[in-house]
Amino acid sequence: QVQLVQSGAEVKKPGASVKVSCKASGYTFTSYYMHWVRQAPGQGLEWMGIINPSGGSTSYAQKFQGRVTMTRDTSTSTVYMELSSLRSEDTAVYYCAALYGSLADWGQGTLVTVSS
Amino acid sequence: DIQMTQSPSSLSASVGDRVTITCRASQSISSYLNWYQQKPGKAPKLLIYAASSLQSGVPSRFSGSGSGTDFTLTISSLQPEDFATYYCQQSYSTHITFGQGTRLEIK
Repeated sequence: QVQLVQSGAEVKKPGASVKVSCKASGYTFTSYYMHWVRQAPGQGLEWMGIINPSGGSTSYAQKFQGRVTMTRDTSTSTVYMELSSLRSEDTAVYYCAALYGSLADWGQGTLVTVSS
Repeated sequence: DIQMTQSPSSLSASVGDRVTITCRASQSISSYLNWYQQKPGKAPKLLIYAASSLQSGVPSRFSGSGSGTDFTLTISSLQPEDFATYYCQQSYSTHITFGQGTRLEIK
């Protein structure tokens, strides 16, 4: 079955960058686009962007344009999300998710805490 | 981007109640509407896709309806495990968007 395993929790200082990984297994990695969604404490779900694991093309939410970079490594079936210029408002759980019709598989989430 | 507006934001109900949550899109999204359930500390779980299709393994007390801009999620008889937060999500656009969530609490 599809499994998405994310990297562990991170603590970063304001202004730093964070890179979260998401390793996919149980399906053909290049078959499904991967989304990144975040959730601040006590808040709703916020879409950040999408990457096509096949060609590497990306599309980002306007809010994150210029600060987010999504990449993939087909040799390890892993996608990455890097967010730069971190501020306290970026404290959140970050999820990768393969979403397509009835396919809806999510990683376990990665807590990123931004604190001085 | 397409805006998704859910109502109510929170709801108190009792076991056995019938509950309806609504979701409105800022433009027509045909039937590209999904519903998720999320419990604290867990990733969202897909309940309904394509507006009215029940995800495999999801109890039949959950149902979805609607098309265009207006959608509903109905839980026919609330069970204790249904108390959670529910989100609608449009997949009409590559830039998917979520509703703000509906928190379903025990009365």
